[in-house]
Amino acid sequence: DVKVTQSSRYLVKRTGEKVFLECVQDMDHENMFWYRQDPGLGLRLIYFSYDVKMKEKGDIPEGYSVSREKKERFSLILESASTNQTSMYLCASRNREGRYEQYFGPGTRLTVT
Amino acid sequence: QKEVEQNSGPLSVPEGAIASLNCTYSDRGSQSFFWYRQYSGKSPELIMFIYSNGDKEDGRFTAQLNKASQYVSLLIRDSQPSDSATYLCAVNNGYSSASKIIFGSGTRLSIRP
Repeated sequence: DVKVTQSSRYLVKRTGEKVFLECVQDMDHENMFWYRQDPGLGLRLIYFSYDVKMKEKGDIPEGYSVSREKKERFSLILESASTNQTSMYLCASRNREGRYEQYFGPGTRLTVT
Repeated sequence: QKEVEQNSGPLSVPEGAIASLNCTYSDRGSQSFFWYRQYSGKSPELIMFIYSNGDKEDGRFTAQLNKASQYVSLLIRDSQPSDSATYLCAVNNGYSSASKIIFGSGTRLSIRP
């Protein structure tokens, strides 16, 4: 079974803090993704990575950066957290081959106060 | 026009009946189609995927794909209260590692006892 884990289920941070969200997958997947999900707005892609050290902007990259130094790990960084970044953050991974089934981690509920 | 469209619901179905969830997509080049189930406060869980026209059955779930009509559906037979969730339709728009999955906004399903 594919296993995608995220460093925290719940996180509370203050405005202006630098926030790190970590995601680890154990299936040797090349592709990894970060989404945020908000009521009424659905899933929105922030960044994705094809492979180690490679990254591409998604639909809403402003205010975020990412790091992929190892294949199994994909980090999302909020450089200076703001209240409008309060959201559910979801990491996902998939194999580059085959039919591209994508698997999600459990999510991190981030609250910025 | 949204790339992947779903009726937001809520769709209310009596226990034991068949629940029918529908999805249309706009990109004729789409190759892979997925259904995710998401319980409130949890992350999306992949429950079905389909690549070829026709039906694919897995237990109580049947996915149906009609590429000519750009239509994919999910049938849930013998609906149970535990099937109450939001169902996300997702479409992968190509075969390369750069292809992305586009998610619909989800249909909320409620199974009434």
